[in-house]
Amino acid sequence: SQQGEEDPQALSIQEGENATMNCSYKTSINNLQWYRQNSGRGLVHLILIRSNEREKHSGRLRVTLDTSKKSSSLLITASRAADTASYFCAKMDTGRRALTFGSGTRLQVQP
Amino acid sequence: DAGVIQSPRHEVTEMGQEVTLRCKPISGHDYLFWYRQTMMRGLELLIYFNNNVPIDDSGMPEDRFSAKMPNASFSTLKIQPSEPRDSAVYFCASSGGLNEKLFFGSGTQLSVL
Repeated sequence: SQQGEEDPQALSIQEGENATMNCSYKTSINNLQWYRQNSGRGLVHLILIRSNEREKHSGRLRVTLDTSKKSSSLLITASRAADTASYFCAKMDTGRRALTFGSGTRLQVQP
Repeated sequence: DAGVIQSPRHEVTEMGQEVTLRCKPISGHDYLFWYRQTMMRGLELLIYFNNNVPIDDSGMPEDRFSAKMPNASFSTLKIQPSEPRDSAVYFCASSGGLNEKLFFGSGTQLSVL
């Protein structure tokens, strides 16, 4: 499969805790993106990190990319109940415009 | 902007019937993507267009599926004849120019009985 692998598949934490999700892939990429999906809704873009970048921040989100290990992580700090959703990594292969999505992590933040 | 608009929101049909899903991308976006989401297979790319031209349709499951983009503001995904295994949520997404992030529609929940 060309899809990336994500772990954990599910994560349950308390409000205020940090949540870390990991993504691995096998190909050469142009960029890697993270998306959020609330139940029954479309996906919403969170952050994009390019292959020549190692770390990126957006509000409470921190994304890292290690191209030598072909892996990325998404850290959500000080989680809130409203962060409850599924989170997907998506890679854009070199020379290609479409995204290949990983299997996703279901995050549950308990109030 | 209203975002990517998909219709219908829900579709229930019987096996063997033709199904047509519709998508209006964000104005000015030159890329349009069709994805399918199921519990078993996750999010799969079916086909994507650039400037109304299909670029990669290798994800289209079989000849029963076809997609068209007659102009920059409209695309259809057709399934004929439909089968129960086609039941899924179908998403349309668009992106524009140098901005490589995708904007997704709300999806069409398809149930084939």
